[in-house]
Amino acid sequence: EADIYQTPRYLVIGTGKKITLECSQTMGHDKMYWYQQDPGMELHLIHYSYGVNSTEKGDLSSESTVSRIRTEHFPLTLESARPSHTSQYLCASSEYLGTTYNEQFFGPGTRLTVL
Amino acid sequence: KQEVTQIPAALSVPEGENLVLNCSFTDSAIYNLQWFRQDPGKGLTSLLLIQSSQREQTSGRLNASLDKSSGRSTLYIAASQPGDSATYLCAVMAGGGADGLTFGKGTHLIIQP
Repeated sequence: EADIYQTPRYLVIGTGKKITLECSQTMGHDKMYWYQQDPGMELHLIHYSYGVNSTEKGDLSSESTVSRIRTEHFPLTLESARPSHTSQYLCASSEYLGTTYNEQFFGPGTRLTVL
Repeated sequence: KQEVTQIPAALSVPEGENLVLNCSFTDSAIYNLQWFRQDPGKGLTSLLLIQSSQREQTSGRLNASLDKSSGRSTLYIAASQPGDSATYLCAVMAGGGADGLTFGKGTHLIIQP
């Protein structure tokens, strides 16, 4: 069973505030991902990481930033939240075995509303 | 650019029926294909993973097939139950060094008791 956690689950915040969405996993996976999902729409990859000190931008341009200081932790930060950032943010992780990408496991998501 | 399409967008069937959900993708150079279910207000639950070299995977009442050359996958659900009601998502991991999954918009499934 996958163990990947996200906090907070729900966040309502005013424009201009700095926020950090937390994601942690206890499986020792090297690869971690952040996806964004607007209501009724498909998920889009916004950031990913191959391991400690590795961060890459995904397919969808995002004003957020990420860091990977520890294997188990992959936080996402918005320096100045805007209403256009209102969305659901989902974190995932997977194990890479050299030539095979294993399944991605997802956290419960953070639903962000910026007023 | 990889695109994933899922048909139908919504489906409602009586309990006990067998059903098939369809997924197509435009670029056949994929590492794998993964099926998920998403319940309202929750994250994604992984159902089945098919590597590019495989043709199908089975888990309980679920069977997923992959035809990479034609860019198609199906998810077969046998003897459907009300607890199967959810949105089912198909996602592919592209080859060629790209990372992350490309998702379809999903099929919203309702199983009527």
